[in-house]
Amino acid sequence: AQSVAQPEDQVNVAEGNPLTVKCTYSVSGNPYLFWYVQYPNRGLQFLLKYITGDNLVKGSYGFEAEFNKSQTSFHLKKPSALVSDSALYFCAVRDETSYDKVIFGPGTSLSVIP
Amino acid sequence: EAQVTQNPRYLITVTGKKLTVTCSQNMNHEYMSWYRQDPGLGLRQIYYSMNVEVTDKGDVPEGYKVSRKEKRNFPLILESPSPNQTSLYFCASSPSRQGVLYEQYFGPGTRLTVT
Repeated sequence: AQSVAQPEDQVNVAEGNPLTVKCTYSVSGNPYLFWYVQYPNRGLQFLLKYITGDNLVKGSYGFEAEFNKSQTSFHLKKPSALVSDSALYFCAVRDETSYDKVIFGPGTSLSVIP
Repeated sequence: EAQVTQNPRYLITVTGKKLTVTCSQNMNHEYMSWYRQDPGLGLRQIYYSMNVEVTDKGDVPEGYKVSRKEKRNFPLILESPSPNQTSLYFCASSPSRQGVLYEQYFGPGTRLTVT
């Protein structure tokens, strides 16, 4: 069965420091991986995705993520955090064998401290 | 403006009183889906639709119904709401083409409270 884990409920980082939000997954076939961000009282917004190709994926707002097949991970990163990056981040996976279903992780709350 | 709209945004109701949450998208997307968001559980898929008249269950379909009579609309129906359906609900849509996977566009959410 598909599953997504985000091992940290909360991540705190100082403004200007690099940030990492972790995601690991389990699927039957090849994974299709997504990161979404949710600002307070808003719907989710797409940040980036990995389908195939280069393991380092660049997305919106300066975010990037690295796909690591051997570690079944897809960690979200940003070289220099902004206070405005404070939000709830969700990792999601679709499986090539059942890609019409989408599994989301529990979310990680990111706080960037001025 | 390309968007997914949901109505109502907030709803307080009583146990057993049937309700419908509407969802509409103006992007001509084939795929639409409903999720509920609960603290610590993330988003869980309730139902999804690959196209008109094609719907299927997600991970938590119990107590919900959907229909897809038109491409743009995908209402969520709670025939007899119960307090455990108190949650934040999101509708989402995406293009769907064989072998190609797209990101989803989300509505603003509907906060439902069942007393």
